[in-house]
Order: sequence, then C-alpha cells, then structure tokens
Amino acid sequence: NAGVTQTPKFQVLKTGQSMTLQCAQDMNHNSMYWYRQDPGMGLRLIYYSASEGTTDKGEVPNGYNVSRLNKREFSLRLESAAPSQTSVYFCASSEAPVGVEQYFGPGTRLTVT
Amino acid sequence: KQEVTQIPAALSVPEGENLVLNCSFTDSAIYNLQWFRQDPGKGLTSLLLIQSSQREQTSGRLNASLDKSSGRSTLYIAASQPGDSATYLCAVYNAGNMLTFGGGTRLMVKP
Repeated sequence: NAGVTQTPKFQVLKTGQSMTLQCAQDMNHNSMYWYRQDPGMGLRLIYYSASEGTTDKGEVPNGYNVSRLNKREFSLRLESAAPSQTSVYFCASSEAPVGVEQYFGPGTRLTVT
Repeated sequence: KQEVTQIPAALSVPEGENLVLNCSFTDSAIYNLQWFRQDPGKGLTSLLLIQSSQREQTSGRLNASLDKSSGRSTLYIAASQPGDSATYLCAVYNAGNMLTFGGGTRLMVKP
C-alpha cells in the first residue's frame, strides 16, 4: 500500500514550457487535491476533485489545469510555466470531500527559470 | 476568508520538556481541524484530526484540543524527543471543501 505517489520528484522548466505533474492514490479515496507550498505563504489549494468526474477551483487556480483521469489518478498541468510557479506541489486524497483526514504525497519540487 | 495563525513560528526546547503549540483561526464555522507534521523536504503526515463536535483527541504523547467558539486549538507534546523535531502545521476545514493551513511552527528538540 503506497498511499499517495507523485511524479516527478524534481523538475526544472524554462519559462513558457509546459508539463504535467502526476498523482496516484491506492486507498480507493473519492476526493483528491493539489496544493502548492511557498515560503511565508503556507500551503494553498490549487484545485480539487470531490469525486471522479468532477473538478473545482481552489484558492490559487490561475495558470493551472487539472484532470481526474479515473478514481486513482489526478494530474496537474502547467500550460506555460512562469517563475511565479516555482514551488513545491503536493497532492492529497481523502475518502470524502468534507470532514475527514487528508493524506499527502511526498511532493514535487518545481523550479521555473 | 478564513485565516489560520500559528504561534510561535519557531521553538527550541531541551529533550524531555512538555510543550504546547498554538493555532488560532478567524472563522469558527469549521468542520474539523487537522494537525500535521512535516519533516524537511518531505510531505505532510497527519497526526490528529478533531471533528468540530469534539473537544480533544489523543495519540500517544500527543494531545490536541479544540475550542471552536474562541477559534483556538493547541497541540500538546509530552516528554519531547529529538525525533519530534519537525514543522507542525494545523489546518481547518471550511465550507466549500477548503482546507486552510497555518504557517507552521518549526520545532527543534535538543538532546
């Protein structure tokens, strides 16, 4: 039981390049989330998927798109990376969208030059 | 908009001390509050989840309390150990499926 896994662990992009961050969970959870963590800003929600087939914006969605590929997988796409998107990205999952524990992946450290 | 504040931002204590980490939030209409631990360069590990109807939760040497009406939670760590050194984050669950995080308390327990 691997929990929540994320790939890649590290990535360096040039401004304007695109990439997709992958997330998968093996806990049969319904809800999945993408956060970014920045020094002095804490963790902030980018997008979430309350259940398979649905996605909603969080606090900081601009510049990102998401896909809930199936119940296990939730990807985050940067279409045209900007230096302001340099951050550590965390994926999380939970059994339900409200009132239960969230379980986090190990994170992806992204640098945009 | 919900705001979560954690005080102190950093704390250094000798091994064996009991300590309290504080978390306050501005909007008391929360579903639950969750405490996490984050080691450097790692993800978040859930420590305790307190539902809005509960007053406290305990796990081993950890005890978390919640006073929803005053917008406060505390995490009590008994008999601290060097292995407890990490950043501790509290997060509150609001309506709209949002988990709002505090800035964290960086704890160092010295042998």
